Amino acid sequence: DAVMTQSPLSLPVTLGQPASISCRSGESLVRSDGEIYLNWYHQRPGHSPRRLIYRASKRDSGVPDRISGSGSGTDFTLKISRMEAEDAGIYYCMEGPQWPLTFGGGTKVEI
Amino acid sequence: EVQLAESGGGLVQPGGSLRLSCTASGFTFSNYWMNWVRQTPGQGLEWLAHINPDGSETNHVDSVKGRFTISRDNAKSSLYLQMNGLRVEDTAVYFCATLTWTGDVFDIWGQGTTVTVS
Repeated sequence: DAVMTQSPLSLPVTLGQPASISCRSGESLVRSDGEIYLNWYHQRPGHSPRRLIYRASKRDSGVPDRISGSGSGTDFTLKISRMEAEDAGIYYCMEGPQWPLTFGGGTKVEI
Repeated sequence: EVQLAESGGGLVQPGGSLRLSCTASGFTFSNYWMNWVRQTPGQGLEWLAHINPDGSETNHVDSVKGRFTISRDNAKSSLYLQMNGLRVEDTAVYFCATLTWTGDVFDIWGQGTTVTVS
């Protein structure tokens, strides 16, 4: 089972400034088909998680282009180029598609 | 509108049972793998189980294997989680979700239902 380690646990960010979150897997996430199955989710207090990024770097519809994902192998990064108030919350990475699906421990991003 | 709606949570004593339900609308439920995920108070997310589109394949995480069972009824666009032998540490918000890997299929989460074991 892949162990997903996120850092930092907590990230205070000033509005307008960049932010970066790391997600490291204990094993390569390049699957037999050559694809990387890594998603990034954002959860605001009292809400369900919402997917932002799939396949490590592909932005979901409606996600602003200030949010981007990158990485390969075992190291992945979510970047926010300019922090806005709506970006506050907890971010999770998740790997798959083989079970058990595994989430990272989360990074709390605060303004 | 594409959505999932969970129900069935509540307060139960240790050793007790609950059955959670998740009803889908706005998309073709029978085409999707479906998942249960939980979030313990103040903690992160834990994937629990998934089931393939026709219900013939299921997998459960070790921590709930033998106690929880995922199932579905495509005619009712519904997903279920039967939880037996509940423990205090099972106290959490339980979400149903599609958890997809491409941009052309919906990645949808329900609003969650709270289970308290005490």
